[in-house]
Amino acid sequence: NAGVTQTPKFQVLKTGQSMTLQCAQDMNHEYMSWYRQDPGMGLRLIHYSVGAGITDQGEVPNGYNVSRSTTEDFPLRLLSAAPSQTSVYFCASSRGLAGSQYFGPGTRLTVT
Amino acid sequence: AQSVTQLDSQVPVFEEAPVELRCNYSSSVSVYLFWYVQYPNQGLQLLLKYLSGSTLVKGINGFEAEFNKSQTSFHLRKPSVHISDTAEYFCAVRPPNAGGTSYGKLTFGQGTILTVHP
Repeated sequence: NAGVTQTPKFQVLKTGQSMTLQCAQDMNHEYMSWYRQDPGMGLRLIHYSVGAGITDQGEVPNGYNVSRSTTEDFPLRLLSAAPSQTSVYFCASSRGLAGSQYFGPGTRLTVT
Repeated sequence: AQSVTQLDSQVPVFEEAPVELRCNYSSSVSVYLFWYVQYPNQGLQLLLKYLSGSTLVKGINGFEAEFNKSQTSFHLRKPSVHISDTAEYFCAVRPPNAGGTSYGKLTFGQGTILTVHP
């Protein structure tokens, strides 16, 4: 099992550019989530999904879109990058509410 | 709504000393409780979790945590730390029941940086 994989590991964008952060898991987990991590703020939930075709907003969804067409993949799209979106992004998956969340290695994004 | 407060942003200790990292939570419903560890430039790894039953939970790497419902706390402890325990630790809560917009949401505290000195 590769677990949770994320690509790319690093990315630099200019303000206004768009991009997609990729996340995939091979554990057949129903739950997948995207978080951003900023110093002193812990991890904040951006969007999450409880299964293919079902997504919902977290705490900080503005400026991000998600879709879940398959169980394995949960991409995060930045529509028009802003400097405030400079952060480290983590994708996670779990088998259920009580299941352990498995985190990917993260994507470090800088928006200039 | 639920929230998590980690009472110390940084905890420095000497090697082989005991350590306690404090976590308090607020929730209108019962929750599952978790502690995660993040080593530098890595993702988060689950240390331990409390779902129900015994209030003392043992995790990996010699860590344990005690759930105290009356004080809404879930403090993490280790009797003797090693240099390799230097990392950032996150407390998190999650609602156990399905339905509504809280379904599946894991709420994290701000993190506590544990630094173990030789």
